[in-house]
Amino acid sequence: AQRVTQPEKLLSVFKGAPVELKCNYSYSGSPELFWYVQYSRQRLQLLLRHISRESIKGFTADLNKGETSFHLKKPFAQEEDSAMYYCALKPLLRAQKLVFGQGTRLTINP
Amino acid sequence: EPEVTQTPSHQVTQMGQEVILRCVPISNHLYFYWYRQILGQKVEFLVSFYNNEISEKSEIFDDQFSVERPDGSNFTLKIRSTKLEDSAMYFCASSGQGNEQYFGPGTRLTVT
Repeated sequence: AQRVTQPEKLLSVFKGAPVELKCNYSYSGSPELFWYVQYSRQRLQLLLRHISRESIKGFTADLNKGETSFHLKKPFAQEEDSAMYYCALKPLLRAQKLVFGQGTRLTINP
Repeated sequence: EPEVTQTPSHQVTQMGQEVILRCVPISNHLYFYWYRQILGQKVEFLVSFYNNEISEKSEIFDDQFSVERPDGSNFTLKIRSTKLEDSAMYFCASSGQGNEQYFGPGTRLTVT
């Protein structure tokens, strides 16, 4: 079975501090991993996907197959980063569904 | 930039009634999806649709649910006889060949 776990429902850090949002997954094959973000009163939007290996808005995420993790990191948090963050998994070579984690609400304090 | 749209933004219905939630995917996309999020819970996959047929569905998507693409632009989710536990936020999404799923703003369904 496919599962995504985000152990922190809430995370609060100060502006300028480093941020790490944890994501662990379980899947027997090689999945594709994503981070989606939902700002207040806005729709879910893609932030990162592991295959693109890029940095968006200063965020990076590395897929660690040994630890089955895909943690989201940013070295210096900004107030506009406050949002709900969802880690999601898509089984490769199969249909298109996304399996989401519970989400982490990130609050950046001034 | 093109966006997925959903109507209505909020639907209130009585238990046992039928509801139809509407979505307009991005015009050149080929894959369409419905997800739902019960308050306080995770976003859950319901169904995916490609080439005018269901390509995958979850256990949640039982006989009371159906999807349709009645014309070239709309994608609908019908719940035949709503239950209290169907109250949730319903998200439509679409994707093209690049696999990135673009989400609509959601329809909040309240069943009383």
